[in-house]
Order: sequence, then C-alpha cells, then structure tokens
Amino acid sequence: GNSVTQMEGPVTLSEEAFLTINCTYTATGYPSLFWYVQYPGEGLQLLLKATKADDKGSNKGFEATYRKETTSFHLEKGSVQVSDSAVYFCALSERLTGGGNKLTFGTGTQLKVEL
Amino acid sequence: NAGVTQTPKFQVLKTGQSMTLQCAQDMNHEYMSWYRQDPGMGLRLIHYSVGAGITDQGEVPNGYNVSRSTTEDFPLRLLSAAPSQTSVYFCASRGGPTNFYGYTFGSGTRLTVV
Repeated sequence: GNSVTQMEGPVTLSEEAFLTINCTYTATGYPSLFWYVQYPGEGLQLLLKATKADDKGSNKGFEATYRKETTSFHLEKGSVQVSDSAVYFCALSERLTGGGNKLTFGTGTQLKVEL
Repeated sequence: NAGVTQTPKFQVLKTGQSMTLQCAQDMNHEYMSWYRQDPGMGLRLIHYSVGAGITDQGEVPNGYNVSRSTTEDFPLRLLSAAPSQTSVYFCASRGGPTNFYGYTFGSGTRLTVV
C-alpha cells in the first residue's frame, strides 16, 4: 500500500536557522502531496500542497517541491521563528474504492525553535 | 466561525462503556472522515462519508460505528470501549470533488479508556 516516511524528530533549531524536514513517499500513480502543521492542543492545519510533479507548494515562508523522480516532498524554510514550533506531518492523498479518498500520513516531525 | 467542531474535548471512559464523539461542520462539505492519532503512528482513517446517507470503512474501523443522516453531522460511536481505543480523535471535512482543497480538521477529542 501507499506510505509516507518522515525524518524522526524532535528537530531543535535556533531562531533564524534554515529548516529542512525530509519526506519521501511510496504510491501507485500520482497522488497529491500535503504538509500539515499541528500546534500544541490543536487540530491539523493545511500548510501547503502540490498536486502534480514539479509543483511547488508555498505558504508562510515554507516551501516544498513535488519530486516524482525521487518520490520526495521535503519541507523547507529559510529562517524559522519560535512561533514555528509545532509538529509537521507529510501526507499523500489516495482514492478509496468507496468513491472517497483518504490521507496517508507520516508519523510527524516535532520542531522546536529556540531563541 | 466556520469550521469543524468536535465535542467533547476530553473524555475518560471505563472499559465496556459506550459513547458518541460529535462532529459538525458548517461549510456544506460533502466529504467527512474520522481519524485517530497515536504516538509514532501518525493519523489513521477510521471511517469516512462521501455524503449524507453514505459511509464506508477506513483502515481501522473495528469497534467504531458511524452514520451520516445530515450533511453537517458525522458522529463516531464507540460500542464497547477498550483501552486500545485510548487516542486522540480528529474529524475532518473536505469540499470540492478533488484533493485540491485539502482538508479542514477539528481540534480533536482526547479519549482515555481505563
């Protein structure tokens, strides 16, 4: 079946450091890819998405490029802030036999940004 | 505010008890789903619905029931709670016929079964 693999956390960075969170996937066909962010005590929020190869999703200074050749969707940000501290989930969307679709998530990567 | 509303936020059950987790959305989304979040496992799909009157199983449906009598509501029922159902439960909805719009998640229900 489809799967998503993320780098293990926690990742601890100083403010203004460069961030990369690796994400690779295994899927049949060409799924849509997502990054979700979960702040403490809250639900998941869509951070960015890409629906086809070579698409770049971006939002709030975060970017990720859909790389079909390496089956990757790495999350990057040039300068992190303390407010970026959260858990980040990589996910892909696949169709279900019942006509809907589901998100397959990675295990999440906790990011801690310190002053 | 528009979005997905889940109640309760916290719940403690004894083994064997039953309960219903509520989920409501006011965005007129056709697609709704329930996920559980467990440490080190990401989120896993329990049940989903593509519209009122239509539900189907996800990857971990055992011990849970759902129904979808209206577009707005998608309750999740635990029939006989077990400690293995201790988890954080998220309801999500999506508008539009494709994946383009992403999903909107509720803030979750933290359930402990003792």
